[in-house]
Amino acid sequence: EDQVTQSPEALRLQEGESSSLNCSYTVSGLRGLFWYRQDPGKGPEFLFTLYSAGEEKEKERLKATLTKKESFLHITAPKPEDSATYLCAVQCKAPQTGGYQKVTFGIGTKLQVIP
Amino acid sequence: GAGVSQSPRYKVAKRGQDVALRCDPISGHVSLFWYQQALGQGPEFLTYFQNEAQLDKSGLPSDRFFAERPEGSVSTLKIQRTQQEDSAVYLCASSPGGAGRLVGKNIQYFGAGTRLSVL
Repeated sequence: EDQVTQSPEALRLQEGESSSLNCSYTVSGLRGLFWYRQDPGKGPEFLFTLYSAGEEKEKERLKATLTKKESFLHITAPKPEDSATYLCAVQCKAPQTGGYQKVTFGIGTKLQVIP
Repeated sequence: GAGVSQSPRYKVAKRGQDVALRCDPISGHVSLFWYQQALGQGPEFLTYFQNEAQLDKSGLPSDRFFAERPEGSVSTLKIQRTQQEDSAVYLCASSPGGAGRLVGKNIQYFGAGTRLSVL
């Protein structure tokens, strides 16, 4: 069964204090790994997609990396507005429906950035 | 805006009542997904549609849950005889492509969800 484990479950940072969030995965036939941001009372908002080990993507203070077993979301000099829950998800093949790509989410890391 | 729209945003039901949750996907999106998100948890897959065809319903927790997308656009998730354990946020997501077509590059765009509370 596909599994996605995120750590830590919660992280509190001072403004400007850089850190990394981890997403470990066990899947058969990975097709893509996604990072989403979720604010309270809202749906997940897409951030990045990574497809192969060694790939990196950046957006403002966020940088996502991927290996064969895990992904990291690096946050450089975070600001209070970066406070949110960050969700990792993996997309893989569901054999019974051919090309259909099922997505499995982790429980997320709740990030709080203190001014 | 042109995002995924869900209604109602909040629903309170008495145990045993039937509820219907609506999802308007982004226009032209082929794929539509329903997820259930409990407090403090990540979204859990419920079901998937490609156009009007329900290709995967393996995540539906019981036969009280039913989803449809009759014209390949708007979808409704129906829960019959609601139970307290059904209380959660129900999220809908859509993506432009379907199975077998560059699906590895399909990003799912989410609505704000419907928060269901069963008393």
